[in-house]
Amino acid sequence: AQSVTQLDSHVSVSEGTPVLLRCNYSSSYSPSLFWYVQHPNKGLQLLLKYTSAATLVKGINGFEAEFKKSETSFHLTKPSAHMSDAAEYFCVVRDTGNQFYFGTGTSLTVIP
Amino acid sequence: DAGITQSPRHKVTETGTPVTLRCHQTENHRYMYWYRQDPGHGLRLIHYSYGVKDTDKGEVSDGYSVSRSKTEDFLLTLESATSSQTSVYFCAIRASGGTTDTQYFGPGTRLTVL
Repeated sequence: AQSVTQLDSHVSVSEGTPVLLRCNYSSSYSPSLFWYVQHPNKGLQLLLKYTSAATLVKGINGFEAEFKKSETSFHLTKPSAHMSDAAEYFCVVRDTGNQFYFGTGTSLTVIP
Repeated sequence: DAGITQSPRHKVTETGTPVTLRCHQTENHRYMYWYRQDPGHGLRLIHYSYGVKDTDKGEVSDGYSVSRSKTEDFLLTLESATSSQTSVYFCAIRASGGTTDTQYFGPGTRLTVL
């Protein structure tokens, strides 16, 4: 069975400081993992995805995530937050089946 | 945006009325999905389709039905809408490519059931 836990429902950071959004997953197989971002009243945009090619994955807008199998984690980071990063972020897992499983989301606030 | 449109984008309806939401794609993807998004729950799968006339249930399928009579259209029907079905509904396609399949989402439909 697959599941995703986003460890923080809300994260606040100051502009220019690092961002860390945490995600743990469970999967019986070697999973595919994704991060999506949703700005207010918008749809979901793919930030990055892990597909076993490399454990450190770089995405759009300066975000990256590292797959750690021993910790079953796929945390999202960014060195320096920008005001435009304020949004909801979703971690998603899929193994070999047809379904994708979403975490409950982390709301990121960026303080000027 | 992978050529996905949803209609209507906003709808207000009354309890007990039927409602149909449409998802249309232009790129001939085999898999299509319907999700609902509610605060504190993320996105939850309602139904998905793996081909014309081939569908399967997701986590929250009660009260919903789907149909896919052609590749480009995936319809979600609420036979008798209830207030608990007030939500934002997202359609997605699954794009094959590279080392994994990836989902891309439509813009969403905001449904209010009074």
